[in-house]
Amino acid sequence: GAGVSQSPSNKVTEKGKDVELRCDPISGHTALYWYRQSLGQGLEFLIYFQGNSAPDKSGLPSDRFSAERTGGSVSTLTIQRTQQEDSAVYLCASSPPGSGRYEQFFGPGTRLTVL
Amino acid sequence: AQRVTQPEKLLSVFKGAPVELKCNYSYSGSPELFWYVQYSRQRLQLLLRHISRESIKGFTADLNKGETSFHLKKPFAQEEDSAMYYCALYNTNAGKSTFGDGTTLTVKP
Repeated sequence: GAGVSQSPSNKVTEKGKDVELRCDPISGHTALYWYRQSLGQGLEFLIYFQGNSAPDKSGLPSDRFSAERTGGSVSTLTIQRTQQEDSAVYLCASSPPGSGRYEQFFGPGTRLTVL
Repeated sequence: AQRVTQPEKLLSVFKGAPVELKCNYSYSGSPELFWYVQYSRQRLQLLLRHISRESIKGFTADLNKGETSFHLKKPFAQEEDSAMYYCALYNTNAGKSTFGDGTTLTVKP
């Protein structure tokens, strides 16, 4: 079946512009995560959605970052007034409910470059 | 607070040699630990989980609660094992995972 998809695959923007990154999780997966992977760095947790519960935003690095998940499915990560240090690969992952919830299925990522 | 440490950013071995990728964790509860792998130009994917006690692609990992470690091992490395490996700890209360910084493994011919 279809895996997690993300769009765009690459995004080049100018400093100060806003960007929106999209994630389509696997159908039926209730949990959705956003991570950031910077060059030479590990995975940095950003935000986590679980069903209809309030999202865990504890990883968002600043108030320029926000995310929403509509209808418990598609999610959009928005970065306002982008800075050069926002350049990274942004990964989305989803997990099924129940006993399979521990495993995360990752998308291919969106490579963001801020000039 | 939970934490996952992978002390080696880079690890290089020759084909056929044993390989061990280290992972240490700190967590007050009962840990759920995983190894994820990212091959070149592929997406991050689950390699194995401690609860399954399985061997995947010749890799095994044993949870050592006394040493709070979950090292990934393979007795004979292959060139196709070259990849980025992440150790992850799942917090069952918070419902999310903490990842280590990753280890890039290079297996030389």
